[in-house]
Amino acid sequence: AQSVTQPDIHITVSEGASLELRCNYSYGATPYLFWYVQSPGQGLQLLLKYFSGDTLVQGIKGFEAEFKRSQSSFNLRKPSVHWSDAAEYFCAVGAENTDKLIFGTGTRLQVFP
Amino acid sequence: DTGVSQDPRHKITKRGQNVTFRCDPISEHNRLYWYRQTLGQGPEFLTYFQNEAQLEKSRLLSDRFSAERPKGSFSTLEIQRTEQGDSAMYLCASSLGGVLDTQYFGPGTRLTVL
Repeated sequence: AQSVTQPDIHITVSEGASLELRCNYSYGATPYLFWYVQSPGQGLQLLLKYFSGDTLVQGIKGFEAEFKRSQSSFNLRKPSVHWSDAAEYFCAVGAENTDKLIFGTGTRLQVFP
Repeated sequence: DTGVSQDPRHKITKRGQNVTFRCDPISEHNRLYWYRQTLGQGPEFLTYFQNEAQLEKSRLLSDRFSAERPKGSFSTLEIQRTEQGDSAMYLCASSLGGVLDTQYFGPGTRLTVL
């Protein structure tokens, strides 16, 4: 069965610092991988997704993620964090035989000025 | 593209009452999904539709839960005989096609069962 693990419940960074949020997945075949962001009072918004091809994926708001099959990971990165990036970030995995997404438990990002 | 809308945004009910939530997807999106999110957790899949057909239901969806999408447009999620454990945010999403297409989420309906 598919599953997603986000090991970090809460991360705090200073504005301007780099960011890496970890995501590990469990799935037998090539997974479809997603990162969503959820700001207070707002719906989940897709940051980026990976299906195949180039393992480094660029997304919106300056985010990128790298798929590493050997480590079953899909970590999200940003070189310089802005205060507006403070939110909850969710990694999710999908599969070929279903349209549903399996989400991780999320990482809450706090940004200090 | 007005986005996915959900109504109501908040619902407070007493244990044992029935509640119904509505979701209006982005027009022309044939996939519609329901997820549930509890505090400190990620969204958990409940069910999804392709047009009016309900294609998959989670084991989380007990007999007290029923979802419909009668004309392939809006959808309703009904919970009968609510329990305190049903308190959660109920999220609706829609997409143009299958898993390769982006799921656009609504703002959610927060249910509190007293």
